Amino acid sequence: QQQVKQSPQSLIVQKGGISIINCAYENTAFDYFPWYQQFPGKGPALLIAIRPDVSEKKEGRFTISFNKSAKQFSLHIMDSQPGDSATYFCAASQAQKLVFGQGTRLTINP
Amino acid sequence: NAGVMQNPRHLVRRRGQEARLRCSPMKGHSHVYWYRQLPEEGLKFMVYLQKENIIDESGMPKERFSAEFPKEGPSILRIQQVVRGDSAAYFCASSPLPDNTEAFFGQGTRLTVV
Repeated sequence: QQQVKQSPQSLIVQKGGISIINCAYENTAFDYFPWYQQFPGKGPALLIAIRPDVSEKKEGRFTISFNKSAKQFSLHIMDSQPGDSATYFCAASQAQKLVFGQGTRLTINP
Repeated sequence: NAGVMQNPRHLVRRRGQEARLRCSPMKGHSHVYWYRQLPEEGLKFMVYLQKENIIDESGMPKERFSAEFPKEGPSILRIQQVVRGDSAAYFCASSPLPDNTEAFFGQGTRLTVV
């Protein structure tokens, strides 16, 4: 059963633009929502994370927006750069395990 | 402080052979998680271990797969009698706490079954 749905599957953004990736979940027991960045041949690296008692969290160019009532959260990358080109995964925590979305392949065109 | 170390990075096995994947957690981390990533998919939880204990193996296939995290040495994910469908990237993560909010991932082992 797919518990975290991520969209879009792929995204192309021009340099300097805003990249937006969305996730939706079903299980209201989730209590931690991280985003991971993965480059080819590498493991996922934690980018930014949020708890459901907060509606927004910003770290540098990266912002998570969280809508508890809609059970949705999104990642915004401001001033997107070619170095941001990677696959991004949202996740949600259930007990001691992370449930991942399917991933979004982001390409930033120079 | 070295990160999570996984080896080998690439492993090729013939159908029916055994695959052993090793994970050395970060220093001071006693909680280890294994995830499997199929091509073009997200990571799927397999098992959560603490030293000498399996805490949650709800994501492990019932047959051929086993995991351990001994008192000394790395965590081992063992796949017996591998089949082509086992071809995937296997990632290990470790954390200092019994949750995953500070979990760091290794670079993975890419298993190819031929």
